[in-house]
Amino acid sequence: DAKTTQPPSMDCAEGRAANLPCNHSTISGNEYVYWYRQIHSQGPQYIIHGLKNNETNEMASLIITEDRKSSTLILPHATLRDTAVYYCIVMNNNAGNMLTFGGGTRLMVKP
Amino acid sequence: DSGVTQTPKHLITATGQRVTLRCSPRSGDLSVYWYQQSLDQGLQFLIQYYNGEERAKGNILERFSAQQFPDLHSELNLSSLELGDSALYFCASSREGGSDEQYFGPGTRLTVT
Repeated sequence: DAKTTQPPSMDCAEGRAANLPCNHSTISGNEYVYWYRQIHSQGPQYIIHGLKNNETNEMASLIITEDRKSSTLILPHATLRDTAVYYCIVMNNNAGNMLTFGGGTRLMVKP
Repeated sequence: DSGVTQTPKHLITATGQRVTLRCSPRSGDLSVYWYQQSLDQGLQFLIQYYNGEERAKGNILERFSAQQFPDLHSELNLSSLELGDSALYFCASSREGGSDEQYFGPGTRLTVT
C-alpha cells in the first residue's frame, strides 16, 4: 500500500472549516483514499473515502487532486467534538482489506 | 454507536496467562478485523476473517490466534502473555470487503501485570 504523509498536528477555531492535508505521491490506480478519526482512546471512526472523484457526506468532504498524489479532508464547521487524531489511509482492496495506520494528524479545535 | 460490540471492556491479568477477547460484528457484516493499539506501536492490523475463513494476516504473534464462528462473531486468543501485550485491542467489521468501510468497536483494554 502507498505510504501517506500528514502533518503531526493542526489547530482550528470552532465554527471554521478544518482542512486536513495528506500526501500519497506513490498511490497506484486501484488504491482508494480513506479517512478515519480516533477521539481519545475510542475505536476509530470511518469518515469518508474516494478513488478519484471528490466525495461529500454528512460528516465531511474529500478533495482528491487530479493526479491523485494528495488529498484534503474538509470538516466544514468544526466543533469541539471534532478534536481527534485524523488518519489518511491508502488501501489496495485487492491485497486484503487491512487498514495501515500512520501517525495521523492531531486536530485541536479551539473555542 | 458503531454496532460492533466487544467484551470485556477491561481485562487485567498476569504474565504467562491466557485470555480471550470477543467481538460481535454489525448485523449483516461478514468480515471481522482485529487491531492492536499500543503506546509505542500505534494502531496495527493483526488479522482478518471473512465468513469464517482467514483472509489476511498482519503482524500477529504466534502466541495469538483468532477465529470466526458460524454466527460470525469472532474471538482473539492471547496466550503466554507478556508485559508488552498490554494494549487496546479493537475489532472492526465490514459488509463484505473490497472498498467497504470498516466500523470499529469500543475496544478491550488489556493490562498485563
